[in-house]
Amino acid sequence: GAGVSQSPRYKVAKRGQDVALRCDPISGHVSLFWYQQALGQGPEFLTYFQNEAQLDKSGLPSDRFFAERPEGSVSTLKIQRTQQEDSAVYLCASSQLRNYGYTFGSGTRLTVV
Amino acid sequence: TQLLEQSPQFLSIQEGENLTVYCNSSSVFSSLQWYRQEPGEGPVLLVTVVTGGEVKKLKRLTFQFGDARKDSSLHITAAQPGDTGLYLCAGEDYLHNNDMRFGAGTRLTVKP
Repeated sequence: GAGVSQSPRYKVAKRGQDVALRCDPISGHVSLFWYQQALGQGPEFLTYFQNEAQLDKSGLPSDRFFAERPEGSVSTLKIQRTQQEDSAVYLCASSQLRNYGYTFGSGTRLTVV
Repeated sequence: TQLLEQSPQFLSIQEGENLTVYCNSSSVFSSLQWYRQEPGEGPVLLVTVVTGGEVKKLKRLTFQFGDARKDSSLHITAAQPGDTGLYLCAGEDYLHNNDMRFGAGTRLTVKP
């Protein structure tokens, strides 16, 4: 596609609920990244994929966070048993080469109530 | 502690004024990127600087990479309301798997 597409744009979850956030990267982009952006802050790294391989998941804040990219294109970020501190904007980005310059999606704003 | 420190955190100016925002670190970077983010959207890449001392111009925006590749600045000439947004710098973190790390950003408001 022309850009990185994320869905849903907004998600309200009750505390304890599981959520799944979807990212459709630019076609042909090898690298895919997930970031978490709290209000008034810069994006914080969560995880990185090269094709279907998750090469770095050091930024995932807890074992409740899980990401996958099974066919090397679409990626899903799953958060289990959501907590209020998970409320943030979750950004997905893709690039042809790692750290060459990312194209970001518009993000999913998650609110846990 | 932020890997990249951006200053000022907030900046509010009148249309037509000039401004400079800064991105500083104690780490050396092979490259730095600058992004602009508008409310409700993802960051949009403005420029990548790779060579120490490099200066890049993008219309009214001038980006400079420090000689030691530890810092960068963004200068905007004759700011316009359309320049309003969050300006973020980002660089590779060699201590953490070369992950691209972002500063907290400078929130710029240009008043008409």
